[in-house]
Amino acid sequence: DIQMTQSPSSLSASVGDRVTITCQASQDITNYLNWYQQKPGKVPKLLIYDASNLETGVPARFSGSGFGTDFTLTINSVQPEDIATYYCQQYDRVPRATFGQGTKVEIK
Amino acid sequence: QVHLVQSGAEVQKPGASVKISCGASGYSFDVYAIHWVRLAPGQRLEWMGRINPGDGDTKYSQNFQGRVTFSADTSANTAYMELRSLRSEDTAVYYCAIGMVIFGAFDTWGQGTMVIVS
Repeated sequence: DIQMTQSPSSLSASVGDRVTITCQASQDITNYLNWYQQKPGKVPKLLIYDASNLETGVPARFSGSGFGTDFTLTINSVQPEDIATYYCQQYDRVPRATFGQGTKVEIK
Repeated sequence: QVHLVQSGAEVQKPGASVKISCGASGYSFDVYAIHWVRLAPGQRLEWMGRINPGDGDTKYSQNFQGRVTFSADTSANTAYMELRSLRSEDTAVYYCAIGMVIFGAFDTWGQGTMVIVS
């Protein structure tokens, strides 16, 4: 099975900071990589699909990059409403899906 | 507007079974696969598998093979997930989700169903 490893597991940032979260796949997944935001007590929300495409309605301060095994989610100028846990997720045609362990983002 | 509405919270004893429903509206129910994902306390989101309501085809994660069954009632636009032989580690919020736009990306989620095994 494909393993997804995120880092860091948690971070604390000041409002306006640039935040970077990484996700590494245990094997090449080309660009089949999505990012989700889950706020406390809420449902996961799709932010980025196919590694770098912004889902409709998601603020432009969110961006994604990467291909193959290494991927990055960036939040430019993090805002208080971005407090959440962020997950990467891969999906293939077996089919199977695997999520990273999550990165909890807090505001200082 | 697309909606997935799940059944309410459950408390079950170890060894019992639970069956959760996921009612769909606002789209053609038999077109999109319904996936089941759970979030246990302190754990990561975990994909359990999916069902294609149109033909009933199911795929299960190896972690749940033999213990979970997905079904779908196309006349009621409702999908079901039954998990058997419950253990304390199955305490989690269970979600149904679909991906309507991009293969493998879950863009619409049910509200979640809390299952407590105690």
